[in-house]
Amino acid sequence: GNSVTQMEGPVTLSEEAFLTINCTYTATGYPSLFWYVQYPGEGLQLLLKATKADDKGSNKGFEATYRKETTSFHLEKGSVQVSDSAVYFCALTLYSSASKIIFGSGTRLSIRP
Amino acid sequence: DAGVTQSPTHLIKTRGQQVTLRCSPKSGHDTVSWYQQALGQGPQFIFQYYEEEERQRGNFPDRFSGHQFPNYSSELNVNALWLGDSALYLCASSLPGGRSDTQYFGPGTRLTVL
Repeated sequence: GNSVTQMEGPVTLSEEAFLTINCTYTATGYPSLFWYVQYPGEGLQLLLKATKADDKGSNKGFEATYRKETTSFHLEKGSVQVSDSAVYFCALTLYSSASKIIFGSGTRLSIRP
Repeated sequence: DAGVTQSPTHLIKTRGQQVTLRCSPKSGHDTVSWYQQALGQGPQFIFQYYEEEERQRGNFPDRFSGHQFPNYSSELNVNALWLGDSALYLCASSLPGGRSDTQYFGPGTRLTVL
């Protein structure tokens, strides 16, 4: 079936450290890939997306590249800030499934000042 | 431009009771999806409504039902509540006809079943 597997947390980093959160997927067909972020006490927000192989999504200093050969969509940021502390969800949709989103289990990120 | 709104924010019910949650989509959106997010987990798709009809459904029992109104707002109903239904319920809306793969989420309703 279709699924998303992401790096288990929690992840704790110091401010200005480099961030990688791993995400791999299994899908029939050609999925669109997403990273959503959930800040404490808030709803889910779309962080970035990529709709085809080799596309790079980017936003707020975060980047992720759609790698079809490794079925991966790892999230990276060169220098994290305390305000990046949140839960990050990797997700996919398939055109054939009327935009139903399949989420990973989430990775909690905490940044120390 | 108002985003997706949900009500109520929090709700406490006892086992066996019934609950109704409400969602208003983002302006210009006509497709509404509902998700259940258990504590420490990713959201799970419940169902999606378009043109007042359920278009797709996830692996949830018939106790979970919904409705979409002509103004595109939606309700999620859960009957015969049990402890495992305690979760954050998220509503998401998207552009007409589901043509966009980007969904916009509301802040959620936190349901606690005692």
